[in-house]
Amino acid sequence: GAVVSQHPSWVICKSGTSVKIECRSLDFQATTMFWYRQFPKQSLMLMATSNEGSKATYEQGVEKDKFLINHASLTLSTLTVTSAHPEDSSFYICSARDQDRGGETQYFGPGTRLLVL
Amino acid sequence: SQQGEEDPQALSIQEGENATMNCSYKTSINNLQWYRQNSGRGLVHLILIRSNEREKHSGRLRVTLDTSKKSSSLLITASRAADTASYFCATDASGNTPLVFGKGTRLSVIA
Repeated sequence: GAVVSQHPSWVICKSGTSVKIECRSLDFQATTMFWYRQFPKQSLMLMATSNEGSKATYEQGVEKDKFLINHASLTLSTLTVTSAHPEDSSFYICSARDQDRGGETQYFGPGTRLLVL
Repeated sequence: SQQGEEDPQALSIQEGENATMNCSYKTSINNLQWYRQNSGRGLVHLILIRSNEREKHSGRLRVTLDTSKKSSSLLITASRAADTASYFCATDASGNTPLVFGKGTRLSVIA
């Protein structure tokens, strides 16, 4: 099956710094990728839809200037948490659909755990 | 954008027993999917059931879908300690939109 990777798998940073998370589709091209956030003992909440070659679409309540998304190629989307604060500590998960295989299945990356001190 | 509700929120059973988790949703769907997540780990896709299907099996898993009631259930038979995890339902509205996840059920299987 299709594989989605994320890097890094975990990151610890100081408050005020920016952190970039990469999401790659390894064996398929993804015109659309999705970014989710999961706080401890909670479910996944959609943050934004990343569109290759155009601006991302953000869910209500998600600050687009804080969570910068760049989808520069058909296999790579990046999420940058700018000026991170402790409340941004969370598990960030990306996913993508393989439209060439029908697009029915959404493949998820293994997640990136962010801890902001 | 979360629209699914699962119940129970937490379930604790003995090894060998069956575990049933329910999911309700609010809008029309193209399909509904179930995922498992071990603590602190990524998602594992378990099963997908389309809107025109009523029941689906995969190994020890049995999923039902009632679109008239906008609900689904996941049954795990003969549970094992390794089944201990959180289980989420996720709805797919159209095949191009992102999955919307329910709140999840935390299952504990006691050996």
